[in-house]
Amino acid sequence: DTAVSQTPKYLVTQMGNDKSIKCEQNLGHDTMYWYKQDSKKFLKIMFSYNNKELIINETVPNRFSPKSPDKAHLNLHINSLELGDSAVYFCASSQDFRRNEQFFGPGTRLTVL
Amino acid sequence: TQLLEQSPQFLSIQEGENLTVYCNSSSVFSSLQWYRQEPGEGPVLLVTVVTGGEVKKLKRLTFQFGDARKDSSLHITAAQPGDTGLYLCAGRSQGNLIFGKGTKLSVKP
Repeated sequence: DTAVSQTPKYLVTQMGNDKSIKCEQNLGHDTMYWYKQDSKKFLKIMFSYNNKELIINETVPNRFSPKSPDKAHLNLHINSLELGDSAVYFCASSQDFRRNEQFFGPGTRLTVL
Repeated sequence: TQLLEQSPQFLSIQEGENLTVYCNSSSVFSSLQWYRQEPGEGPVLLVTVVTGGEVKKLKRLTFQFGDARKDSSLHITAAQPGDTGLYLCAGRSQGNLIFGKGTKLSVKP
């Protein structure tokens, strides 16, 4: 069984559109994260949620809005997509905010045309 | 801003060779992790080091945390094609996990 799953795997869309990426973890973890990995493979934290509450919000455009309906899900909604949003987005989870080990999903490759 | 510098950025070697990759920072980290990422997949944790000077072994992989907890190294003995991937170090500081830019390793048969 997949521990951290993301859908879709690939997302190709036009500039200006709104899209969502879904993430689910079945590990019973309290903390979930969204990362962005650019074309140079640099992985950077975007958001972190602990027990459905936002605890990290790095400098990310407010076009990006995370939503956590419950502890097992953390979705990412992006409004008015721009060319620079093209990247691979990874969801991850950890047992709690203090725990070191993070489990990553397989990533969603977003291409904005 | 705390940065983790990884070197080399790219490494291409033949099967059976040994290699070392480095992760350096001017900042102190409470712990440091190494992840491996294969194409089309998310990073997978290999090891966490916490104590300055700590050495951990995982089969042919040896990880070392610097005495001052500012740097780390990963040594692979007798590399195999299955070791191919992107190796990322990540330091934990003030609750955040900060990643280096990675070393892309290619091991040719």
